[in-house]
Amino acid sequence: AQSVTQLGSHVSVSEGALVLLRCNYSSSVPPYLFWYVQYPNQGLQLLLKYTSAATLVKGINGFEAEFKKSETSFHLTKPSAHMSDAAEYFCAVSGAAGNKLTFGGGTRVLVKP
Amino acid sequence: EAGVAQSPRYKIIEKRQSVAFWCNPISGHATLYWYQQILGQGPKLLIQFQNNGVVDDSQLPKDRFSAERLKGVDSTLKIQPAKLEDSAVYLCASSLALDGEQFFGPGTRLTVL
Repeated sequence: AQSVTQLGSHVSVSEGALVLLRCNYSSSVPPYLFWYVQYPNQGLQLLLKYTSAATLVKGINGFEAEFKKSETSFHLTKPSAHMSDAAEYFCAVSGAAGNKLTFGGGTRVLVKP
Repeated sequence: EAGVAQSPRYKIIEKRQSVAFWCNPISGHATLYWYQQILGQGPKLLIQFQNNGVVDDSQLPKDRFSAERLKGVDSTLKIQPAKLEDSAVYLCASSLALDGEQFFGPGTRLTVL
């Protein structure tokens, strides 16, 4: 069985400040890990994914995430927040055999000017 | 390239009524998914198709939910009869293959009164 926990359902950051979204996972097999972004009234868009290659994964829009097996974590960061980053972010995990995604509860990001 | 299309975008019904949602995946995508996203939660997989066959429907409430993907292209998801707790956004996603990146449609927001 797999599960994902996202710490903090809401995060508020100032424009230009670091964005840090936390994700911890549980998986009985080597995991595939994903971060998705959802803008209001839109579907989910893939930001980045970890598939057992490099542990530091770079994604779109300046986001990156680091896979830490010892901490079972896959936290998402962006050095400098933009107003356009205001959205909801979901971490997800799937098993190595396929792509059945299990999502976390999501973190809504508010960017203050 | 056209994305995943869903209709309707919004639907309001009364409990015990029936409702159907339609999804047109990206052309050539063999795998199709339906997710339920309740407000404040991450998406939950309801059913996964590979072409016109069901791969996983373990989380589909089969007493009231049904889905089909005739001819391996478009898909419909039906709820009959609807309950208050079915109020959610229903997301459709498709991928080229079982282990491919999932592309999400904009969703159908269902409100059951």
